[in-house]
Formats: sequence, C-alpha cells, structure tokens
Amino acid sequence: DQQVKQNSPSLSVQEGRISILNCDYTNSMFDYFLWYKKYPAEGPTFLISISSIKDKNEDGRFTVFLNKSAKHLSLHIVPSQPGDSAVYFCAASDNSGAGSYQLTFGKGTKLSVIP
Amino acid sequence: NAGVMQNPRHLVRRRGQEARLRCSPMKGHSHVYWYRQLPEEGLKFMVYLQKENIIDESGMPKERFSAEFPKEGPSILRIQQVVRGDSAAYFCASSQKQKLAPYQETQYFGPGTRLLVL
Repeated sequence: DQQVKQNSPSLSVQEGRISILNCDYTNSMFDYFLWYKKYPAEGPTFLISISSIKDKNEDGRFTVFLNKSAKHLSLHIVPSQPGDSAVYFCAASDNSGAGSYQLTFGKGTKLSVIP
Repeated sequence: NAGVMQNPRHLVRRRGQEARLRCSPMKGHSHVYWYRQLPEEGLKFMVYLQKENIIDESGMPKERFSAEFPKEGPSILRIQQVVRGDSAAYFCASSQKQKLAPYQETQYFGPGTRLLVL
C-alpha cells in the first residue's frame, strides 16, 4: 500500500522553463513534507520542506505547494537548469509525537532538463 | 564538511557471509535512521535509533538484520547470512533532536552503501 505516490516516472523540460513535479499522499496523519534530489550513486539531498499548517514555501528557484484537502503537493522549479536533471523524491512524515518521524518516500520522478 | 558519513561505499559479499554497514551522523545530530532502496524503488524505512536505544525497528526484517548506535562510535547496520535479495543501496540519515513543538525533523542523508551479494 503506497502512502506516497509520484505518478510520473519521468519528466522532460526545456532549459529556462518551469518544471512541475507532483506528489499525492493518502495518510492524513502526515504533517511534514519534504523534497529530495538524488543523483546516481549519491545519497538524497534535501531541497525544501513544508509543514501542513502552510500551503506554500519558497526557497530561491524552488517552491513547494501543499493542498491538504486534495492530499497533493507539488514542487515548482523556475527557471529549470540542466544541473537540475536528477531524480526527485517526495517524502512525508507524521510528527504528531506518536510516530518515530520516519520518512515515507514516493518512487521518484526523473527530471531531464534539455539545454 | 561535517555531513553524514557512510562506509564502505561499496560492499561485495557472497551468500551466507555477514555485511556490516557504518554510519556517522552529522555533528550535533543524535537521531539516526536507516533506509533501503531497491532498484527502481523509493527509499524504505528500516530502523530509527538514538544513542544506545532502538526507538522504532518496524521496518526491519525479522531475521538476520540488526542495528545499533553505541554511546561511542558510528551506528552499525548488520546483516547476517546475506542472500541475493539483500542486494540494495542502504542509506543512513541523521537529524537533530527538536526541543520544541512542532517536532518536524529534517533528515540529512549520507552517500549510501551499495551492497552486492553474489
């Protein structure tokens, strides 16, 4: 039972345009959401996060949007650069105090930014 | 660079041997998590430890796998009598204890250990 889903295994975007990566979740106890970027043979690198009490968080070229009622979040990258080409993982955790803050990951979306 | 350290980066074992994976958390971090990634999959939680304590091992296989985080030294993930299905990338992450609510921890990952069982 996948609690975090990234339905697009891959995405290709032209350099300079916007990249939009989507993520859906089913567990209503999730209250903290993170995006990680991963290059081959490396560990995931933290990009940006958002708490469930917010609907938007911005950091430079990266913005994460959260729609709690739809249990959906998205990562926007503007403008996209060739160095952004990587696999992007959406992750979620339950920080209510009852759990262990473990992250539940989606399967990832491979972003290719074409020069 | 005081990031999360993992070693070895690559480990080859024959079926039936033991694998020991090490993780040193970021400076100042007291929480350690282990995750496993199979090919074409996302990372799956295995175990969460604090110094000298296993807090949550709900993601650990019941047999052959164990983890520890001693008072001194790195965290160790140990796999006894490895089988081919244990071949995967094993990632360690660390986070800082949150003293105030909301207890939202950001986990920072190491480079991983790629285990290959022949």
